[in-house]
Amino acid sequence: QKEVEQNSGPLSVPEGAIASLNCTYSDRGSQSFFWYRQYSGKSPELIMSIYSNGDQEDGRFTAQLNKASQYVSLLIRDSQPSDSATYLCAVSWEGGATNKLIFGTGTLLAVQP
Amino acid sequence: GAGVSQSPSNKVTEKGKDVELRCDPISGHTALYWYRQRLGQGLEFLIYFQGNSAPDKSGLPSDRFSAERTGESVSTLTIQRTQQEDSAVYLCASSRVLGYQPQHFGDGTRLSIL
Repeated sequence: QKEVEQNSGPLSVPEGAIASLNCTYSDRGSQSFFWYRQYSGKSPELIMSIYSNGDQEDGRFTAQLNKASQYVSLLIRDSQPSDSATYLCAVSWEGGATNKLIFGTGTLLAVQP
Repeated sequence: GAGVSQSPSNKVTEKGKDVELRCDPISGHTALYWYRQRLGQGLEFLIYFQGNSAPDKSGLPSDRFSAERTGESVSTLTIQRTQQEDSAVYLCASSRVLGYQPQHFGDGTRLSIL
């Protein structure tokens, strides 16, 4: 059973702090990894993609991938109240033979002003 | 269009009625996915279309659910004899297939069964 695990939270951080969101996955064949942000009542929005070990940075967001340990994380620097949302980790299935993704259930982030 | 388009945005119907939900993918995206998201829950995969290949229906919860897609264009998800537990947001996503491309979501259809 291929699985993607996330702590459901809520993760509460003060404004300006670094928020660290973690995700583990079970399929060693997974080759693409994505973070989506979902505001309450809205659809998921892609914010980061990462395909190789190491860090991938985009503005205040950094995705980190460690395939040996089968985890991927998302760091949000200088957290803002507008970052408060549920963050979904998504991992490719079948080693990328299809574009099917397995989604975690998400971590709720609350940034306190 | 620029993004994935879904219609209707909201649908309220009585238990036992059939409903049809529509998804128009991003132009050039050959892969199309349907998900269900119940209130406060994660995404539940329903069905996946890739070009002219046979769809992956492994996530459909019962034979009341079916979906069609003609070529690489619009898809419709049909729920027959709706039940109250079918109440959820139904999300459609599309992606390119070359390489490891992310999925892009539409705004969803909020379905409420009375």
